[in-house]
Amino acid sequence: AQTVTQSQPEMSVQEAETVTLSCTYDTSESNYYLFWYKQPPSRQMILVIRQEAYKQQNATENRFSVNFQKAAKSFSLKISDSQLGDTAMYFCAFMKRMYSGGGADGLTFGKGTHLIIQP
Amino acid sequence: ETGVTQSPTHLIKTRGQQVTLRCSSQSGHNTVSWYQQALGQGPQFIFQYYREEENGRGNFPPRFSGLQFPNYSSELNVNALELDDSALYLCASSFSGASLFGPGTRLLVL
Repeated sequence: AQTVTQSQPEMSVQEAETVTLSCTYDTSESNYYLFWYKQPPSRQMILVIRQEAYKQQNATENRFSVNFQKAAKSFSLKISDSQLGDTAMYFCAFMKRMYSGGGADGLTFGKGTHLIIQP
Repeated sequence: ETGVTQSPTHLIKTRGQQVTLRCSSQSGHNTVSWYQQALGQGPQFIFQYYREEENGRGNFPPRFSGLQFPNYSSELNVNALELDDSALYLCASSFSGASLFGPGTRLLVL
């Protein structure tokens, strides 16, 4: 079974600052995906960024980038030029890569980090 | 892109009752998963359906069951409701490893 740990229950930064959210995971799988999801107060879970474990290059999406350290099983999210609209719960999640005929475990989520962007 | 929709948005039931939650998947997505999110927690995987067959289940008892229809819409059924079933229930449709979530159904069991 996989576990995902987010050690920062809450973080608060000023608008326009850069913030890094931490995530570590534990798995015996070699092929998997890692995700960061954002859940604002409206509660809709929104995909922020996705990383495939076999890719060494860190994923980036505009102001969002990750630092994926496979050997250390670490997957942190960096938000540059933070904006008020970035205020939300952020969840790190793991999913093993599915193969034809294989069973699914779904996404394994961490407990989340509540990120507050101050004006 | 139509997105994932869920109904109802809120629901109140009493202990022992049965409930059905519904999900309409993103067009073209043949896999649907259901998650339970208790207050202040991350979502927990309930089960997944692929081409109308359950192909994965988390640590949830058999009173949590589901269906997926040919149009890829889905239902989550919970029998014999317990107080601890009070949570946000999220549906996610996926294709090629990326999940798109619906807005959820908030269930309160009294």
